[in-house]
Amino acid sequence: DAGVTQSPTHLIKTRGQQVTLRCSPKSGHDTVSWYQQALGQGPQFIFQYYEEEERQRGNFPDRFSGHQFPNYSSELNVNALLLGDSALYLCASRWGPERYDEQFFGPGTRLTVL
Amino acid sequence: AQSVTQPDIHITVSEGASLELRCNYSYGATPYLFWYVQSPGQGLQLLLKYFSGDTLVQGIKGFEAEFKRSQSSFNLRKPSVHWSDAAEYFCAVLRGFGNEKLTFGTGTRLTIIP
Repeated sequence: DAGVTQSPTHLIKTRGQQVTLRCSPKSGHDTVSWYQQALGQGPQFIFQYYEEEERQRGNFPDRFSGHQFPNYSSELNVNALLLGDSALYLCASRWGPERYDEQFFGPGTRLTVL
Repeated sequence: AQSVTQPDIHITVSEGASLELRCNYSYGATPYLFWYVQSPGQGLQLLLKYFSGDTLVQGIKGFEAEFKRSQSSFNLRKPSVHWSDAAEYFCAVLRGFGNEKLTFGTGTRLTIIP
């Protein structure tokens, strides 16, 4: 079992561009959450996907959107990139929306916006 | 709104010495509490959690944490640290299952010296 995988590992974009980050959950997991971790900060919850729907959302603008596919993998899209979007983006998966004791995080995608 | 405070940004401990990392939360009721560890290039790994019951919880890698309601604290301890414990440690709070907004502290960086 490969655990939670994310791609790409690193990404460099310029202001105004759009980016798509990808996450494959751990085998057997159907719930995916995305977090943004700015340098020197703890992760901040962006949103959660379960049954291909966005179930909950943190305090992030509509520029942040996502998708979950039938195979439970997920994408995070960010439009109109700002310098402040530079961060490590973490994906977490678990089986069922409430199984926090069985939540696994991926290694993250490091996004740099120039 | 709930919040999590980790007052120590950086702690340095000698190998073999004991460790205590502090975590305080602000929330009216008893939340669900977690400690995660993040090594460079790695995702977050769950060390331990408190949902209810015994206030002293045991985790992986020899860590334990004690929930003290009167002090709104959930401090992480280890009796003897190893060089491999050097990492970033995050305390996190969840207001309740079904409310996804897992709130992280800003983290404590642990350095181990020989």
